[in-house]
Amino acid sequence: AQSVAQPEDQVNVAEGNPLTVKCTYSVSGNPYLFWYVQYPNRGLQFLLKYITGDNLVKGSYGFEAEFNKSQTSFHLKKPSALVSDSALYFCAVRDLNTDKLIFGTGTRLQVFP
Amino acid sequence: DGGITQSPKYLFRKEGQNVTLSCEQNLNHDAMYWYRQDPGQGLRLIYYSQIVNDFQKGDIAEGYSVSREKKESFPLTVTSAQKNPTAFYLCATDRGLTGNTGELFFGEGSRLTVL
Repeated sequence: AQSVAQPEDQVNVAEGNPLTVKCTYSVSGNPYLFWYVQYPNRGLQFLLKYITGDNLVKGSYGFEAEFNKSQTSFHLKKPSALVSDSALYFCAVRDLNTDKLIFGTGTRLQVFP
Repeated sequence: DGGITQSPKYLFRKEGQNVTLSCEQNLNHDAMYWYRQDPGQGLRLIYYSQIVNDFQKGDIAEGYSVSREKKESFPLTVTSAQKNPTAFYLCATDRGLTGNTGELFFGEGSRLTVL
């Protein structure tokens, strides 16, 4: 069965420092991977996705994610964090049998001034 | 503006009552979804619909019902059979025209509290 895991409930980083939010996946076949962000009491917003091709995917708001097949990871990164990046981040994988997204449990990112 | 409108934003319900959450979209997207969000559990799929007059159960459909009479509308009814209905409910669409892309658009959510 397809699944994603987000091993950290919360990540704390100082403004201006690089940030990484971790995601690992388990799929049979080639993975379709996604990152979404959720601000308090709002719906989720799509950030970026990996389907195939370059392992470094660039997305919205300066975020990027690195696909690593050998480590089955798809970590979200940003070179310089902003306080406004503080939010809940979800990794997701597309279930190739049902064509539906399977979401991780989310990681709360807190950026301190 | 194009988007997804969920209403009400907040809803309180007594035990034993059915409630209906509205989801309307003007994005002209075919696929629509209902998710439930609980703290620490991520999003779980309740129901989804690929086309009008057709819908499928997701992972946690028990105690819920939906209809898809119009492309723009996908209301969710939380019935009294749902044992733990207090949650944040999210409606979403997929912009794919010939198939799902995984790039979902979400509404602002409806927070249901059972008293």
